[in-house]
Amino acid sequence: DAGVIQSPRHEVTEMGQEVTLRCKPISGHNSLFWYRQTMMRGLELLIYFNNNVPIDDSGMPEDRFSAKMPNASFSTLKIQPSEPRDSAVYFCASSRQGSGGYTFGSGTRLTVV
Amino acid sequence: GENVEQHPSTLSVQEGDSAVIKCTYSDSASNYFPWYKQELGKRPQLIIDIRSNVGEKKDQRIAVTLNKTAKHFSLHITETQPEDSAVYFCAASTGGADGLTFGKGTHLIIQP
Repeated sequence: DAGVIQSPRHEVTEMGQEVTLRCKPISGHNSLFWYRQTMMRGLELLIYFNNNVPIDDSGMPEDRFSAKMPNASFSTLKIQPSEPRDSAVYFCASSRQGSGGYTFGSGTRLTVV
Repeated sequence: GENVEQHPSTLSVQEGDSAVIKCTYSDSASNYFPWYKQELGKRPQLIIDIRSNVGEKKDQRIAVTLNKTAKHFSLHITETQPEDSAVYFCAASTGGADGLTFGKGTHLIIQP
């Protein structure tokens, strides 16, 4: 199993540009989570999906952030327009519902200049 | 929602000594408590977890204890080694498919 796969690993973009982060969960996992990690705020849950359905997006900071999961093997997190304060490492994680343990992807380090 | 507090933020111990990291949680419905280790520039990785029907769990040099009444749980690392140096995160959830709420992390430094 290749684990949770995220792309890109690094993204540098200019303020105002659209950014799309991608995630492929582990096959058979039916829960998917997007987290943001910064030094100041630690690991913050942005949104999670169960069986491709968004369950709780209360952690999404603003309307500039949106996430989709069109099928069981793919999810995107989009920021439009991006701002310098969005700079962080964005992690995707997946789990089998009820099992508890997450597996994290390698993360996307986003820098907005 | 759930709130998880973690202490200390930084912990420095001599190689071979023990390290203890403590967390408290606010939601009495939480019943799943994992610990993650994150090395510099890498992803968080699950090292041990405990469910609310158990008071203690061990895995070699690592152990976790849970006090449901006081709503706190702790990570214990014995005979620390240089490779234990990392940031450790505690987390809590109500189980099922809910998202984990993480503590702010503890930077563990093992002094040679």
